[in-house]
Amino acid sequence: DAEITQSPRHKITETGRQVTLACHQTWNHNNMFWYRQDLGHGLRLIHYSYGVQDTNKGEVSDGYSVSRSNTEDLPLTLESAASSQTSVYFCASSENPRGLSYNEQFFGPGTRLTVL
Amino acid sequence: QKEVEQDPGPLSVPEGAIVSLNCTYSNSAFQYFMWYRQYSRKGPELLMYTYSSGNKEDGRFTAQVDKSSKYISLFIRDSQPSDSATYLCAMSDAGKSTFGDGTTLTVKP
Repeated sequence: DAEITQSPRHKITETGRQVTLACHQTWNHNNMFWYRQDLGHGLRLIHYSYGVQDTNKGEVSDGYSVSRSNTEDLPLTLESAASSQTSVYFCASSENPRGLSYNEQFFGPGTRLTVL
Repeated sequence: QKEVEQDPGPLSVPEGAIVSLNCTYSNSAFQYFMWYRQYSRKGPELLMYTYSSGNKEDGRFTAQVDKSSKYISLFIRDSQPSDSATYLCAMSDAGKSTFGDGTTLTVKP
């Protein structure tokens, strides 16, 4: 069965370290998204990609970067981790080409990141 | 001001109650309106979606959209303890979605 996986599921790191969170989907979806979820803020979009070599900034992109070298993976990198980046991170993917509004997103299980 | 505002909750109801969850939005370009359900420590899953204004029913769940008022609702009839979760509204434009903050619902046996 097709799925979307995230690793690690839990991560504790120190302020200033570089951290990479992995996201892998076997749906063969064009679109992939990274969100963070915090109490009182819901799901906020960090970065998204509509295909290989395409990346776009979301509403809370500062301090984060992504790259899309293949269809299946969209790793999220925290260049220099800060305590404000302690959160639960969700990766999602969707099928519809850009321009079609309906966009069911399939979410991964999440990565719980703590920055000390 | 956020593009999507969702009643924050939390909401606690007895089993069998009718539940109403609501969101308002400001972006007139939104065409698709979705409800996701998220169980504790899990990723959200799509529950229902609606295109433009109108109602859509799926079993005990009914989604309503009123584009003139920029207001959407999700009704749950005969609520069950298994409905206890966080419900997020989402609205779609140009391929990406904007989510509400979520309402946490607890249905007590």
